[in-house]
Amino acid sequence: QVTLKESGPGILQPSHTLSLTCSFSGFSLSTYGMGVSWIRQPSGKGLEWLASIWWNGNTYNNPSLKSRLTVSKDTSNNQAFLKVTSVDTADTATYYCAHTRHTMGITTHFDYWGQGVMVTVSS
Amino acid sequence: DIQMTQSPSLLSASVGDRVTINCKASQNINKYLNWYQQKLGEAPKLLIYNTNNLQTGIPSRFSGSGSGTDYTLTISSLQPEDFGTYFCFQHNSWYTFGAGTKLELK
Repeated sequence: QVTLKESGPGILQPSHTLSLTCSFSGFSLSTYGMGVSWIRQPSGKGLEWLASIWWNGNTYNNPSLKSRLTVSKDTSNNQAFLKVTSVDTADTATYYCAHTRHTMGITTHFDYWGQGVMVTVSS
Repeated sequence: DIQMTQSPSLLSASVGDRVTINCKASQNINKYLNWYQQKLGEAPKLLIYNTNNLQTGIPSRFSGSGSGTDYTLTISSLQPEDFGTYFCFQHNSWYTFGAGTKLELK
């Protein structure tokens, strides 16, 4: 079955770069139609899509954060990565990675989620 | 950007009630609308994709409908495990979530 798990620094200082890893099993990011997305949620608030990476290497970033985000993957090790540059307190949130698949013309977004990793930006 | 407006933001209901949650898009999203359920301290769970397709393993008491800019999630008979927060999500143009509807026990 599909499982995902996020890992990250827990706490980091303003202006630094946040690096997150999503380790997954049950699918391969080299298989047609597979994708991994990053979504975040400040405590007690709503969800915000950040970025997605697909089996073919295509990446898509939220336009409101575009220049600060880099998403990548390591297919051999079943991992996806997100970097967020120049963080500030507004980036404090739980960060999730989620599986997306595109099969037979239908895209099913975020059908499996990781447990989330909490990230605090504080000096 | 497409904005998603959910209503109500808070819904109090009893076990056995029929419940509806609404989501309105700022422009036509061509039925590219998903619904997620989130319980406290947990990741969201996909309930319905593309307006009215029930995700595998989700009980049939959940259903979705809508078109154009207006969409609805219906729970036909509320069960104790259904309390939590519900989010709509559009994927017609980029990706946007609604602000959420908290469903609580009356």
